[in-house]
Amino acid sequence: AQKITQTQPGMFVQEKEAVTLDCTYDTSDPSYGLFWYKQPSSGEMIFLIYQGSYDQQNATEGRYSLNFQKARKSANLVISASQLGDSAMYFCALRGNTGFQKLVFGTGTRLLVSP
Amino acid sequence: EAGVTQFPSHSVIEKGQTVTLRCDPISGHDNLYWYRRVMGKEIKFLLHFVKESKQDESGMPNNRFLAERTGGTYSTLKVQPAELEDSGVYFCASSQLMNTEAFFGQGTRLTVV
Repeated sequence: AQKITQTQPGMFVQEKEAVTLDCTYDTSDPSYGLFWYKQPSSGEMIFLIYQGSYDQQNATEGRYSLNFQKARKSANLVISASQLGDSAMYFCALRGNTGFQKLVFGTGTRLLVSP
Repeated sequence: EAGVTQFPSHSVIEKGQTVTLRCDPISGHDNLYWYRRVMGKEIKFLLHFVKESKQDESGMPNNRFLAERTGGTYSTLKVQPAELEDSGVYFCASSQLMNTEAFFGQGTRLTVV
């Protein structure tokens, strides 16, 4: 079975600071991918960043980076230089590369960026 | 290029009524997924189409839910009859290939009263 755990229901950060959102996972697939999505108050799910299990380097996309520690089964999202517009729900998701490849989501972390 | 589009954005219906949700995927995306988030819980997979075929419908909660994707383009998800526990946000996503990122629509917020 595949499982994503996000233990932080809410996080607060001041503008311009960095914040780490935690994500741990469990899977028996030898090959898999990890995703982070942002859901602002408007409701849409915005794809942020992807990490493949065999990728040698941690993924980065602008101010987003993924701290991938395979042995610990963690895939934490790091947002540098937080902006007010970063306030949103953030979901970590896992997709195995065998079988039907559906996404398995965590319960999400609500991030609030204060001025 | 248009993203994934879902209609309606909100729907409020009474218990026992029927509701049909629609999803238009990104053009050329053969893979279409439906997900649902019930209040305060994780987003859960419902089903996966590859073109017009149901690849995986293991997440469909019961036979009150019927999904179709005629012609391999847009998809509909019908709930008949709706129950209170069906309330939540229904997301549609599409991807070009199964191993590429999935792009989500803005969701349909369904409230059953």
